[in-house]
Amino acid sequence: EAGVVQSPRYKIIEKKQPVAFWCNPISGHNTLYWYRQNLGQGPELLIRYENEEAVDDSQLPKDRFSAERLKGVDSTLKIQPAELGDSAVYLCASSRGGSGSYTGELFFGEGSRLTVL
Amino acid sequence: EDQVTQSPEALRLQEGESSSLNCSYTVSGLRGLFWYRQDPGKGPEFLFTLYSAGEEKEKERLKATLTKKESFLHITAPKPEDSATYLCAVQGPGYALNFGKGTSLLVTP
Repeated sequence: EAGVVQSPRYKIIEKKQPVAFWCNPISGHNTLYWYRQNLGQGPELLIRYENEEAVDDSQLPKDRFSAERLKGVDSTLKIQPAELGDSAVYLCASSRGGSGSYTGELFFGEGSRLTVL
Repeated sequence: EDQVTQSPEALRLQEGESSSLNCSYTVSGLRGLFWYRQDPGKGPEFLFTLYSAGEEKEKERLKATLTKKESFLHITAPKPEDSATYLCAVQGPGYALNFGKGTSLLVTP
């Protein structure tokens, strides 16, 4: 079974430029998450999707961040414009069940490391 | 607000030297406590879910326990391949996992 696939693995951009990250979850996983992990910190949830619906985006900085999950499969997270403080690893994760069968077992991708200069 | 505090921040052990990692938490209505392992440059990997005080889970050299205020991850006779950052997370009434900062474990031969 293929794991969660993310791209790009690394991205270096100048501040104020846009950037996008792509995630393909494990086949059959209805729930998809985007987390941000700063150096030396644990992951922080940005947004959670159940199928194509964003059910928790309270921590997503909506002035510059956007996300979509068309057709309830893969997802894109965009930052425009990027700021210095956005440098972090952006992790995508997926899980089998929806709200009714949540077990906390998330399958994470390897992450996309963003450096904003 | 949910809080998760892990200690120590870093731990260095000799191979075979058993020890425990601590995760203290405050949450209104614990739905579950989770342990993950994270290797450098990788995403976290799920280890255990604990749902209620008194529950224990084991996997190879790892054993996780849960009380009403904290969880312990016991590592028995660790090997160098156990070196990683161990993350604890709690889930309250919502579905978001609230992660701690992790404990960085180094096991030397």
